[in-house]
Amino acid sequence: DAGVIQSPRHEVTEMGQEVTLRCKPISGHNSLFWYRQTMMRGLELLIYFNNNVPIDDSGMPEDRFSAKMPNASFSTLKIQPSEPRDSAVYFCASRRSVGGELFFGEGSRLTVL
Amino acid sequence: ELKVEQNPLFLSMQEGKNYTIYCNYSTTSDRLYWYRQDPGKSLESLFVLLSNGAVKQEGRLMASLDTKARLSTLHITAAVHDLSATYFCAVDMKTSYDKVIFGPGTSLSVIP
Repeated sequence: DAGVIQSPRHEVTEMGQEVTLRCKPISGHNSLFWYRQTMMRGLELLIYFNNNVPIDDSGMPEDRFSAKMPNASFSTLKIQPSEPRDSAVYFCASRRSVGGELFFGEGSRLTVL
Repeated sequence: ELKVEQNPLFLSMQEGKNYTIYCNYSTTSDRLYWYRQDPGKSLESLFVLLSNGAVKQEGRLMASLDTKARLSTLHITAAVHDLSATYFCAVDMKTSYDKVIFGPGTSLSVIP
Protein backbone atom coordinates (compact mmCIF):
# COMPACT_ATOMS: atom_id res chain seq x y z
CA ASP A 1 0.00 0.00 0.00
CA ALA A 2 1.18 3.50 -0.81
CA GLY A 3 -0.15 4.91 2.41
CA VAL A 4 -2.17 8.07 2.80
CA ILE A 5 -1.02 10.66 0.30
CA GLN A 6 -1.34 14.37 0.92
CA SER A 7 -0.55 17.34 -1.27
CA PRO A 8 0.92 19.84 -1.23
CA ARG A 9 3.51 19.08 1.45
CA HIS A 10 4.23 22.75 1.93
CA GLU A 11 2.26 25.82 0.95
CA VAL A 12 3.02 29.45 1.55
CA THR A 13 0.31 31.90 0.62
CA GLU A 14 -0.87 35.38 1.35
CA MET A 15 -3.80 36.31 3.48
CA GLY A 16 -7.04 36.29 1.55
CA GLN A 17 -5.99 33.61 -0.94
CA GLU A 18 -7.81 30.33 -1.37
CA VAL A 19 -6.02 27.21 -0.21
CA THR A 20 -6.90 23.66 -1.23
CA LEU A 21 -5.36 20.67 0.49
CA ARG A 22 -5.75 17.21 -0.98
CA CYS A 23 -5.79 13.71 0.41
CA LYS A 24 -5.86 10.23 -1.06
CA PRO A 25 -6.71 7.61 1.57
CA ILE A 26 -5.47 4.06 1.61
CA SER A 27 -7.43 1.89 -0.78
CA GLY A 28 -10.18 -0.02 0.99
CA HIS A 29 -10.36 2.35 3.93
CA ASN A 30 -13.84 3.74 4.44
CA SER A 31 -13.20 6.42 7.07
CA LEU A 32 -11.26 9.60 6.48
CA PHE A 33 -10.27 12.27 9.01
CA TRP A 34 -8.85 15.78 8.73
CA TYR A 35 -6.84 17.10 11.69
CA ARG A 36 -5.05 20.38 12.26
CA GLN A 37 -1.94 20.55 14.45
CA THR A 38 -0.56 23.67 16.09
CA MET A 39 1.66 24.22 19.10
CA MET A 40 -1.08 26.07 20.92
CA ARG A 41 -4.03 23.79 20.25
CA GLY A 42 -2.44 20.43 19.59
CA LEU A 43 -4.21 17.99 17.25
CA GLU A 44 -7.75 19.15 16.51
CA LEU A 45 -10.26 17.01 14.64
CA LEU A 46 -11.79 19.19 11.95
CA ILE A 47 -14.10 16.78 10.13
CA TYR A 48 -14.45 13.10 9.36
CA PHE A 49 -16.16 11.08 6.69
CA ASN A 50 -17.52 7.58 6.63
CA ASN A 51 -18.20 6.00 3.25
CA ASN A 52 -17.66 9.43 1.67
CA VAL A 53 -20.36 11.03 3.83
CA PRO A 54 -19.44 13.80 6.30
CA ILE A 55 -20.39 12.53 9.74
CA ASP A 56 -19.28 15.35 12.02
CA ASP A 57 -17.91 18.74 10.99
CA SER A 58 -18.26 20.39 14.39
CA GLY A 59 -14.50 20.87 14.53
CA MET A 60 -14.38 23.05 11.44
CA PRO A 61 -13.39 26.43 12.88
CA GLU A 62 -15.56 28.68 10.73
CA ASP A 63 -17.37 29.01 7.46
CA ARG A 64 -14.11 29.76 5.69
CA PHE A 65 -13.32 26.06 5.96
CA SER A 66 -15.01 23.41 3.84
CA ALA A 67 -14.28 19.77 3.06
CA LYS A 68 -15.49 17.36 0.45
CA MET A 69 -15.08 13.71 -0.38
CA PRO A 70 -16.49 13.17 -3.87
CA ASN A 71 -15.37 9.53 -3.99
CA ALA A 72 -13.65 6.89 -1.91
CA SER A 73 -10.18 7.82 -3.10
CA PHE A 74 -10.10 11.60 -2.79
CA SER A 75 -10.84 14.36 -0.32
CA THR A 76 -10.18 18.09 -0.21
CA LEU A 77 -10.01 20.65 2.56
CA LYS A 78 -10.48 24.20 1.37
CA ILE A 79 -9.87 27.47 3.17
CA GLN A 80 -11.30 30.59 1.57
CA PRO A 81 -10.21 33.23 2.38
CA SER A 82 -7.13 32.19 4.30
CA GLU A 83 -5.87 34.06 7.36
CA PRO A 84 -2.51 34.00 9.19
CA ARG A 85 -4.10 32.12 12.12
CA ASP A 86 -4.80 29.23 9.76
CA SER A 87 -1.08 28.51 9.63
CA ALA A 88 -0.64 24.94 10.84
CA VAL A 89 0.10 21.41 9.74
CA TYR A 90 -2.98 19.71 8.35
CA PHE A 91 -3.07 15.93 8.56
CA CYS A 92 -5.30 13.53 6.74
CA ALA A 93 -5.81 10.04 8.16
CA SER A 94 -7.81 7.01 7.10
CA ARG A 95 -8.82 3.67 8.53
CA ARG A 96 -10.52 0.55 7.34
CA SER A 97 -13.31 0.45 9.90
CA VAL A 98 -14.45 1.57 13.31
CA GLY A 99 -12.14 0.32 16.01
CA GLY A 100 -9.13 0.23 13.75
CA GLU A 101 -6.04 2.36 13.93
CA LEU A 102 -5.73 5.54 11.93
CA PHE A 103 -3.04 5.80 9.30
CA PHE A 104 -1.72 9.30 8.79
CA GLY A 105 -0.39 11.09 5.77
CA GLU A 106 2.80 13.14 5.92
CA GLY A 107 0.84 16.33 6.45
CA SER A 108 0.52 19.64 4.62
CA ARG A 109 2.34 22.53 6.25
CA LEU A 110 0.45 25.75 5.55
CA THR A 111 1.88 29.19 6.14
CA VAL A 112 -0.37 32.19 5.57
CA LEU A 113 1.49 35.49 5.48
CA GLU B 1 -17.95 16.42 25.12
CA LEU B 2 -15.02 14.06 25.21
CA LYS B 3 -11.87 15.35 26.87
CA VAL B 4 -8.59 13.49 26.70
CA GLU B 5 -5.85 14.44 29.12
CA GLN B 6 -2.27 13.27 29.37
CA ASN B 7 0.12 13.49 32.27
CA PRO B 8 2.83 14.63 32.23
CA LEU B 9 2.95 16.94 29.21
CA PHE B 10 6.73 17.15 29.35
CA LEU B 11 9.06 14.45 30.59
CA SER B 12 12.81 14.44 30.78
CA MET B 13 14.34 11.19 31.92
CA GLN B 14 17.70 9.53 32.03
CA GLU B 15 18.59 6.55 29.95
CA GLY B 16 17.97 3.30 31.75
CA LYS B 17 15.14 4.64 33.90
CA ASN B 18 11.50 3.57 33.93
CA TYR B 19 8.51 5.88 33.70
CA THR B 20 4.78 5.88 32.98
CA ILE B 21 2.69 8.26 30.92
CA TYR B 22 -0.99 8.49 31.84
CA CYS B 23 -3.98 9.12 29.60
CA ASN B 24 -7.38 9.94 31.10
CA TYR B 25 -10.57 10.43 29.17
CA SER B 26 -13.97 11.70 30.15
CA THR B 27 -16.53 9.51 28.41
CA THR B 28 -17.26 5.85 27.84
CA SER B 29 -14.93 4.16 25.41
CA ASP B 30 -13.27 0.80 25.00
CA ARG B 31 -11.04 1.74 22.12
CA LEU B 32 -7.82 3.63 22.63
CA TYR B 33 -4.72 4.18 20.54
CA TRP B 34 -1.16 5.31 21.20
CA TYR B 35 0.88 7.17 18.61
CA ARG B 36 4.40 8.46 18.35
CA GLN B 37 5.44 11.65 16.56
CA ASP B 38 9.02 12.68 15.85
CA PRO B 39 9.73 16.40 15.29
CA GLY B 40 8.54 17.53 11.88
CA LYS B 41 7.13 14.10 11.07
CA SER B 42 3.77 12.42 10.88
CA LEU B 43 2.13 10.21 13.50
CA GLU B 44 3.05 6.56 13.74
CA SER B 45 0.74 4.01 15.33
CA LEU B 46 2.19 2.20 18.34
CA PHE B 47 -0.66 0.34 20.01
CA VAL B 48 -4.33 -0.42 19.50
CA LEU B 49 -6.23 -1.27 22.69
CA LEU B 50 -9.74 -2.57 22.04
CA SER B 51 -11.06 -3.87 25.34
CA ASN B 52 -10.93 -3.45 29.09
CA GLY B 53 -7.77 -4.97 30.48
CA ALA B 54 -5.99 -5.00 27.13
CA VAL B 55 -2.22 -4.97 27.38
CA LYS B 56 0.17 -4.64 24.48
CA GLN B 57 3.96 -4.62 24.50
CA GLU B 58 6.55 -3.71 21.91
CA GLY B 59 10.17 -3.50 22.90
CA ARG B 60 10.59 -1.11 25.81
CA LEU B 61 7.01 0.16 25.61
CA MET B 62 3.93 -1.38 27.17
CA ALA B 63 0.41 0.02 26.99
CA SER B 64 -2.65 -0.93 28.99
CA LEU B 65 -6.30 0.07 29.15
CA ASP B 66 -8.70 0.24 32.09
CA THR B 67 -12.07 1.27 30.70
CA LYS B 68 -13.75 1.41 34.10
CA ALA B 69 -11.24 3.96 35.33
CA ARG B 70 -11.14 5.59 31.86
CA LEU B 71 -7.38 5.34 32.04
CA SER B 72 -4.61 4.11 29.82
CA THR B 73 -0.94 3.95 30.63
CA LEU B 74 2.17 3.84 28.48
CA HIS B 75 5.05 2.38 30.45
CA ILE B 76 8.63 2.91 29.38
CA THR B 77 11.21 0.42 30.58
CA ALA B 78 14.92 1.18 30.60
CA ALA B 79 14.59 4.24 28.40
CA VAL B 80 16.99 4.83 25.52
CA HIS B 81 17.63 8.01 23.55
CA ASP B 82 15.78 6.67 20.50
CA LEU B 83 12.53 6.84 22.45
CA SER B 84 12.70 10.64 22.53
CA ALA B 85 9.53 11.83 20.77
CA THR B 86 6.03 13.08 21.49
CA TYR B 87 3.51 10.42 22.47
CA PHE B 88 -0.21 10.84 21.94
CA CYS B 89 -3.13 8.82 23.14
CA ALA B 90 -6.34 8.93 21.13
CA VAL B 91 -9.81 7.80 22.12
CA ASP B 92 -12.62 6.48 19.97
CA MET B 93 -15.88 8.02 21.17
CA LYS B 94 -18.28 5.16 21.75
CA THR B 95 -21.28 7.47 21.65
CA SER B 96 -20.25 9.16 18.44
CA TYR B 97 -19.66 6.84 15.57
CA ASP B 98 -16.08 6.89 14.38
CA LYS B 99 -14.93 10.09 16.12
CA VAL B 100 -11.32 9.89 17.36
CA ILE B 101 -10.03 12.57 19.72
CA PHE B 102 -6.36 13.04 20.57
CA GLY B 103 -4.79 14.02 23.85
CA PRO B 104 -2.39 16.98 24.06
CA GLY B 105 0.69 14.76 23.79
CA THR B 106 3.60 14.03 26.10
CA SER B 107 6.97 15.32 24.95
CA LEU B 108 9.58 12.82 26.08
CA SER B 109 13.28 13.58 26.16
CA VAL B 110 15.67 10.80 27.12
CA ILE B 111 19.01 12.11 28.28
CA PRO B 112 22.15 9.99 28.01
